[in-house]
Amino acid sequence: NAGVTQTPKFQVLKTGQSMTLQCAQDMNHEYMSWYRQDPGMGLRLIHYSVGAGITDQGEVPNGYNVSRSTTEDFPLRLLSAAPSQTSVYFCASSYGDRGRRGGGYTFGSGTRLTVV
Amino acid sequence: AQSVTQPDIHITVSEGASLELRCNYSYGATPYLFWYVQSPGQGLQLLLKYFSGDTLVQGIKGFEAEFKRSQSSFNLRKPSVHWSDAAEYFCAVGDGAGNNRKLIWGLGTSLAVNP
Repeated sequence: NAGVTQTPKFQVLKTGQSMTLQCAQDMNHEYMSWYRQDPGMGLRLIHYSVGAGITDQGEVPNGYNVSRSTTEDFPLRLLSAAPSQTSVYFCASSYGDRGRRGGGYTFGSGTRLTVV
Repeated sequence: AQSVTQPDIHITVSEGASLELRCNYSYGATPYLFWYVQSPGQGLQLLLKYFSGDTLVQGIKGFEAEFKRSQSSFNLRKPSVHWSDAAEYFCAVGDGAGNNRKLIWGLGTSLAVNP
């Protein structure tokens, strides 16, 4: 199993450019989430999904869009990049049920994004 | 609203010494609790989780954690630390009703290990 695959690993954007961070999981997980990680601020939830066709906003959704057309894929779109979006982005997935199988999120290795 | 506090920003221990990382949460019902570890430049890895039952939970890499409802704590322990345990450790709680749709995260504790 590949787990959670994020691409690209590194990206430099100019202010105003758009791009899509890709996330795919092969574990048939219902739940998927996008986080950003900044020094001293821990992990902040951007958007999450509880299944194909269902998405919702997290703590810091502004400037980002998501969609979930399949169980496997959960891309994150930056509409018009700003320097404040310079961060490390993590995608994560989990089974949705409470219990021994559920709860523990599997994380991708991250995308380090710099906006200049 | 749920919240998670990790009181120690940075901890240094000697190799072979015991370790306890503190985590306090604010939650009304029985929480869904997690500990994750992040090595430099890496993603996060689940160490252990608690959702019900035995309050002492065993995890990977020799870690354990104890859920104490009366103290709203879920502290992480390891009897003998190895140099490879140097990393950032995060505590998290599920968002509600035993659900893990969203996790509330602590700000992390950075662990350094002296040889």
